[in-house]
Amino acid sequence: GEDVEQSLFLSVREGDSSVINCTYTDSSSTYLYWYKQEPGAGLQLLTYIFSNMDMKQDQRLTVLLNKKDKHLSLRIADTQTGDSAIYFCAEYQAGTALIFGKGTTLSVSS
Amino acid sequence: NAGVTQTPKFQVLKTGQSMTLQCAQDMNHEYMSWYRQDPGMGLRLIHYSVGAGITDQGEVPNGYNVSRSTTEDFPLRLLSAAPSQTSVYFCASSYDSHAYGYTFGSGTRLTVV
Repeated sequence: GEDVEQSLFLSVREGDSSVINCTYTDSSSTYLYWYKQEPGAGLQLLTYIFSNMDMKQDQRLTVLLNKKDKHLSLRIADTQTGDSAIYFCAEYQAGTALIFGKGTTLSVSS
Repeated sequence: NAGVTQTPKFQVLKTGQSMTLQCAQDMNHEYMSWYRQDPGMGLRLIHYSVGAGITDQGEVPNGYNVSRSTTEDFPLRLLSAAPSQTSVYFCASSYDSHAYGYTFGSGTRLTVV
């Protein structure tokens, strides 16, 4: 089947903004998610967006959704070293479960 | 409220052995899923369930079996372990609406030698 696509690596300096991009597969997906995984840990839900929204802001996190292009992005403002982790984009495909991208490893240097 | 509990946390199996990875949730979630995570591959869906008595295959179901006799439990069985099944396995659960995403367990790291 088609894949949820993400770039694999992103490196930023502390204090900069990070933008992680994702292309999803199912135009009928109702919910789209961003998860964070720290080394050796499980997945933590960061934020989600409903498909009838273009943007959602939650403190330092901004999610942008372009339904026409099936493109989702996560912007982290004022990136900190504690934000270093793997970030997964996921879509809910109706009748199944969450389908994940391969993850973007964010490296933050001080 | 323990969330999603996976046991064991670590396991080493010999090729050909069988075992069951346990997953239990106490949130009365209808939806439960099993994923495996391999380096560079992200999370791939093995099996999922939309309620007690209902299961279906995901992207990579071969070599795995599941059942859902209760809302709380969703065990994953490896019938005859192979080295290709060395991975980290995650169980997840969700409310029907999915508005809050899935809650993940802490994972089981399985090595097959």
